[in-house]
Amino acid sequence: RKEVEQDPGPFNVPEGATVAFNCTYSNSASQSFFWYRQDCRKEPKLLMSVYSSGNEDGRFTAQLNRASQYISLLIRDSKLSDSATYLCAVNVGRRALTFGSGTRLQVQP
Amino acid sequence: ETGVTQSPTHLIKTRGQQVTLRCSSQSGHNTVSWYQQALGQGPQFIFQYYREEENGRGNFPPRFSGLQFPNYSSELNVNALELDDSALYLCASSLLGTDRLWTQYFGPGTRLLVL
Repeated sequence: RKEVEQDPGPFNVPEGATVAFNCTYSNSASQSFFWYRQDCRKEPKLLMSVYSSGNEDGRFTAQLNRASQYISLLIRDSKLSDSATYLCAVNVGRRALTFGSGTRLQVQP
Repeated sequence: ETGVTQSPTHLIKTRGQQVTLRCSSQSGHNTVSWYQQALGQGPQFIFQYYREEENGRGNFPPRFSGLQFPNYSSELNVNALELDDSALYLCASSLLGTDRLWTQYFGPGTRLLVL
């Protein structure tokens, strides 16, 4: 079993749609959780850190469920510019990030 | 921009050769991690340096080695290149934020092609 698992997609959604991604992790010692966005042939860019109480940044909402060991990302009112691969990542303290394989989102006009 | 820079941006090598990739971390970040990202996969952890010492290593053979310098910049060296080493190599520097999370910020990467 992979340490971090994501549905690879692709998710094809129309503009304005709401889309949700889930990510499960196996290491119960994981302390920090992140969503990164990666555009084609570019580096991952931090989208959001995920806090225990859940957090929101504009159209993006992240949730953490420690009991079930998953994190989620909700994107409301999808824009064409949201098309990208979304990577979830977890780590323990300062240590290395463990990434999922990413979920590809394609927002269509 | 994250302030993390990497060089070169692209590189073509042949099997058996050696390569050195470089990374300058964001000012004040004393932890640098290196990742390998193959096509269609998430980044895989190679190793991490903290205050010039290796601070963890992923499942990569010893022909992958590194250094961190006093100014916290870093190098990744790969000896005896294999075709499977073709990938995007990412450097990330870390900072403990006000949210008490160690957040990693990535450089633009070096795309290595081994022929």
